[in-house]
Amino acid sequence: GQNIDQPTEMTATEGAIVQINCTYQTSGFNGLFWYQQHAGEAPTFLSYNVLDGLEEKGRFSSFLSRSKGYSYLLLKELQMKDSASYLCAVLDSNYQLIWGAGTKLIIKP
Amino acid sequence: IAGITQAPTSQILAAGRRMTLRCTQDMRHNAMYWYRQDLGLGLRLIHYSNTAGTTGKGEVPDGYSVSRANTDDFPLTLASAVPSQTSVYFCATAPPGNTGELFFGEGSRLTVL
Repeated sequence: GQNIDQPTEMTATEGAIVQINCTYQTSGFNGLFWYQQHAGEAPTFLSYNVLDGLEEKGRFSSFLSRSKGYSYLLLKELQMKDSASYLCAVLDSNYQLIWGAGTKLIIKP
Repeated sequence: IAGITQAPTSQILAAGRRMTLRCTQDMRHNAMYWYRQDLGLGLRLIHYSNTAGTTGKGEVPDGYSVSRANTDDFPLTLASAVPSQTSVYFCATAPPGNTGELFFGEGSRLTVL
């Protein structure tokens, strides 16, 4: 079966750095996505990795290792507004998105 | 209309009633999707449509039906609602190119009693 694992909840301090991990086992791989979802709102696209390595976009970076079935989302200089759920998703061989359950990130002052 | 509009935003429904959740987009995207989101579970695909006139079943299609008469509209119908269909429903669209990037509506929170 297809499976995506990520921690249920993480807590971090304002101004700090946090890394959210995602491991996956899917039928094929055509890319890995991270979405941000604030409570009561819709998910919004954050990043896309299809090749191994690090993709940096401002305070957010996403890393992919296809051989290990592993990705992480790195958030730097945390702000209170970063409190949200972060969803990991993989595009499988049929170009269908397989979603993790999400990681709720709590930022404390 | 800007982007994706879902209606209603929230609804309480008696079990056994019929309900249609509406989704309208103005981005002219061919691909549209209906997901449900439940606590502790990832987004689960209910039905999808790759282009007007075609639809397909996702991971959890039972109890739901869809239609795609035109590019802009993709309604989701619950023929006879049951309490297990209590959830938040998201409509999404995808631009061309199989990039996997989705644009989501604001969601419809449905409670079936």
